[in-house]
Amino acid sequence: NAGVMQNPRHLVRRRGQEARLRCSPVKGHSHVYWYRQLPEEGLKFMVYLQKENIIDESGMPKERFSAEFPKEGPSILRIQQVVRGDSAAYFCASSPQVEQYFGPGTRLTVT
Amino acid sequence: DAKTTQPPSMDCAEGRAANLPCNHSTISGNEYVYWYRQIHSQGPQYIIHGLKNNETNEMASLIITEDRKSSTLILPHATLRDTAVYYCIVTGSNSGYALNFGKGTSLLVTP
Repeated sequence: NAGVMQNPRHLVRRRGQEARLRCSPVKGHSHVYWYRQLPEEGLKFMVYLQKENIIDESGMPKERFSAEFPKEGPSILRIQQVVRGDSAAYFCASSPQVEQYFGPGTRLTVT
Repeated sequence: DAKTTQPPSMDCAEGRAANLPCNHSTISGNEYVYWYRQIHSQGPQYIIHGLKNNETNEMASLIITEDRKSSTLILPHATLRDTAVYYCIVTGSNSGYALNFGKGTSLLVTP
């Protein structure tokens, strides 16, 4: 069985560009979570989604960040007008119920 | 979510049992204790979780005290590949099982 897949694994964007991060959950998992890990810091929860619904976005910055988990296809974390402070590792996790299984992450570098 | 307290670092000799403690004195009745680990900069790996009974799986054992205010993760025969940061996290349905990663315990397994 394939685990959680994230792509791209590495993404370089210039300031002001958009970044789109994709997460394909484990087949059959209907819960997706996104976390961000800034350099030398711990992981911070961003958003929790179920199919077509945002359940909890309390950890998401109010501006420039959005997430979706459509009925078909991967979950997308979108960052508009990226700034250097957005440089981080972004991890998604999927869950069948309570335990979460993490992907390998996307390393975003903003130049 | 209940807060957790873990020692910042521990050492363990290869082949020995690693016992990682965690205090969670403010845990509420419907919250679970989860353990994850992160090896270097990889995605976190789920280890085990429990509510009030002790749990065991192929990776580890989880011992939860009767009052549920503390727990211990036991890696029965630590190997060098178990060197990682270990996170004890308490969460439940009220927070959608979102994970609040603290600083964790950095476990170093030595030859």
